Amino acid sequence: DVKVTQSSRYLVKRTGEKVFLECVQDMDHENMFWYRQDPGLGLRLIYFSYDVKMKEKGDIPEGYSVSREKKERFSLILESASTNQTSMYLCASSLAGESSEQYFGPGTRLTVT
Amino acid sequence: RKEVEQDPGPFNVPEGATVAFNCTYSNSASQSFFWYRQDCRKEPKLLMSVYSSGNEDGRFTAQLNRASQYISLLIRDSKLSDSATYLCVVGGPNTGGFKTIFGAGTRLFVKA
Repeated sequence: DVKVTQSSRYLVKRTGEKVFLECVQDMDHENMFWYRQDPGLGLRLIYFSYDVKMKEKGDIPEGYSVSREKKERFSLILESASTNQTSMYLCASSLAGESSEQYFGPGTRLTVT
Repeated sequence: RKEVEQDPGPFNVPEGATVAFNCTYSNSASQSFFWYRQDCRKEPKLLMSVYSSGNEDGRFTAQLNRASQYISLLIRDSKLSDSATYLCVVGGPNTGGFKTIFGAGTRLFVKA
C-alpha cells in the first residue's frame, strides 16, 4: 500500500520564520511534488522533482525552495513565511512517466500569523 | 481562461439520482485525463483514468470528448458515500515540458 507521509498535520508560524515541511514516500517513486490548495483555486504546483537532487519550478515557486537529498524525501522550505502563505500544503509522489497516478500525503495546514 | 475549468457546484442530489459533471480544458495537445476524489479534510485520491474510448467502473462512467475539449464523469445510483469533491486532472505537453493541471473541483452532496 502506497504511503506518503507529511511531518505535521497542523502548523502555526509567525511572519518571517523559516518553515520546513517534510514529505516521505515509501514506494520508491521517482517523482515528487509539492502543491498548495486554496478554496476556489484548486491545487497549484509549487515545485516538483523527478530525481534525487533534481528540482523544477511549478506554477507558483516564489517564496519557496525545495530539497531532495534522498529519493524518498522531498522538503519544502519557506525562507521567510508570510501571511499569504497560509494554506493547505499537499505532497504527492508518482512513478516516473508523465501520466502516472499521483499519491498524496494527508496535507499540512499551515497558518502564518 | 483557466487551463482546466469545472463548475464548483455544489450539486445537491438525492440518493439514487444520476449526476454528471463536466470539465473543460484549454490545451488541445493534452494527452492524459483523470478524475480524482477528495473527501472533506482529506487528500485527493485517484477515482479513475479517462480513456479516449471511455471508461466505466461500476456506477461511474468517464468520457472524453477531444473535439470539444471536455471530459465528463457520470455517477449512477448515487450513494451518501459519494459526497465529496471531484477533481478533474489534465496532463499534456507545455512550454518547458509536461504539465499536469488540477481543476478546482466540483462539490457533490448526496442526501438521504
